[in-house]
Amino acid sequence: EAGVTQSPTHLIKTRGQQATLRCSPISGHTSVYWYQQALGLGLQFLLWYDEGEERNRGNFPPRFSGRQFPNYSSELNVNALELEDSALYLCASSSYAGTGDLETQYFGPGTRLLVL
Amino acid sequence: AQSVTQLGSHVSVSEGALVLLRCNYSSSVPPYLFWYVQYPNQGLQLLLKYTSAATLVKGINGFEAEFKKSETSFHLTKPSAHMRDAAEYFCAVSGRITGGSQGNLIFGKGTKLSVKP
Repeated sequence: EAGVTQSPTHLIKTRGQQATLRCSPISGHTSVYWYQQALGLGLQFLLWYDEGEERNRGNFPPRFSGRQFPNYSSELNVNALELEDSALYLCASSSYAGTGDLETQYFGPGTRLLVL
Repeated sequence: AQSVTQLGSHVSVSEGALVLLRCNYSSSVPPYLFWYVQYPNQGLQLLLKYTSAATLVKGINGFEAEFKKSETSFHLTKPSAHMRDAAEYFCAVSGRITGGSQGNLIFGKGTKLSVKP
């Protein structure tokens, strides 16, 4: 069974540009989560999508946005890049029962974004 | 609201020694708890999870964790460390949204484990 895949593996941008990161979940998973792992800040939750809808959002400015496609893959967009956006961006997927049952999140290898 | 505290950002043990990584949580509802491991330049791999079925949870690679409600702890242990265990370990609690559905994970700041030969 293929795991969560992310592309690209590395991305270099300059301040003010836009970055687009992509994630394909495990087959059968409908939920996609995005996390930022910045040096010194740990792992922070960004966005959660399920069935094409945004379910929850972390404490990030609106220039961090995303969407989920009908095939459940997802895109994270970061507009007006700032130096502090340099980080490893991790995508995770899970099935979503919506009943409170435990659904494990499985992570991809991440996209390392460097803003110069 | 949920939160996680990992005591010790760095832990160093000798090969063959006991590994103990500490995690304390705060949750207003019964928590779902996880341990993940991150090897250099990789994503996160699930080690084990607490499902409320049993307080002692066994995971992969010989790791286990014990849920202690009275101490709000979920410490990770391994009886004998291997060189390949050197990595960063993250404890996480599942956030909850209205209706009790599981949401995003809330992570501790991580503990980097070094294993000396």
